[in-house]
Amino acid sequence: QKEVEQDPGPLSVPEGAIVSLNCTYSNSAFQYFMWYRQYSRKGPELLMYTYSSGNKEDGRFTAQVDKSSKYISLFIRDSQPSDSATYLCAMEDSSASKIIFGSGTRLSIRP
Amino acid sequence: DAGVTQSPTHLIKTRGQQVTLRCSPISGHKSVSWYQQVLGQGPQFIFQYYEKEERGRGNFPDRFSARQFPNYSSELNVNALLLGDSALYLCASSPQAGAVNGYTFGSGTRLTVV
Repeated sequence: QKEVEQDPGPLSVPEGAIVSLNCTYSNSAFQYFMWYRQYSRKGPELLMYTYSSGNKEDGRFTAQVDKSSKYISLFIRDSQPSDSATYLCAMEDSSASKIIFGSGTRLSIRP
Repeated sequence: DAGVTQSPTHLIKTRGQQVTLRCSPISGHKSVSWYQQVLGQGPQFIFQYYEKEERGRGNFPDRFSARQFPNYSSELNVNALLLGDSALYLCASSPQAGAVNGYTFGSGTRLTVV
């Protein structure tokens, strides 16, 4: 079983729709949770990070963490074609000085 | 300000050869991490260096090695290349080790082994 599971998609939605991206994880010791966006031929770009359980909002993006269910989500409101990218969830394993990534969900926003 | 710079951007090597990839962190960042991203998968951790010392190592064979220089730049070396080493190699820098909100990735080096 992978430490972090993420549906690879692809996911295609019309412009303006609300997008929901999700990950599950198995290690209850994870404390920092992140979402990265990766455009083709580019490195990942940090979108949001949260510490422990709860919600965090930044513009059109909302990150949720439910540690009791080991489940994290990213919501994108009023999605734009420029949001088309691969979205990677990630968690910090501080005991090993590393970030563990999900496999990424490829998202396409149709104009 | 320049971001994380990696060189070369692309290269093609033959099985059995050796390769060296280079990374320059953001000015003022003292930690560099290396990740391997195979097509269709998320990045996998290889190494982290902080203040020129190895702070973490992923589940990669001894053919993979790295070092960090006094100016905090870093090199990743891979010996005896295999076809399976074909991937995007990413470097990330941060002000200090464990600064998850400060990880900045470069655009990567795409390595193809033939």
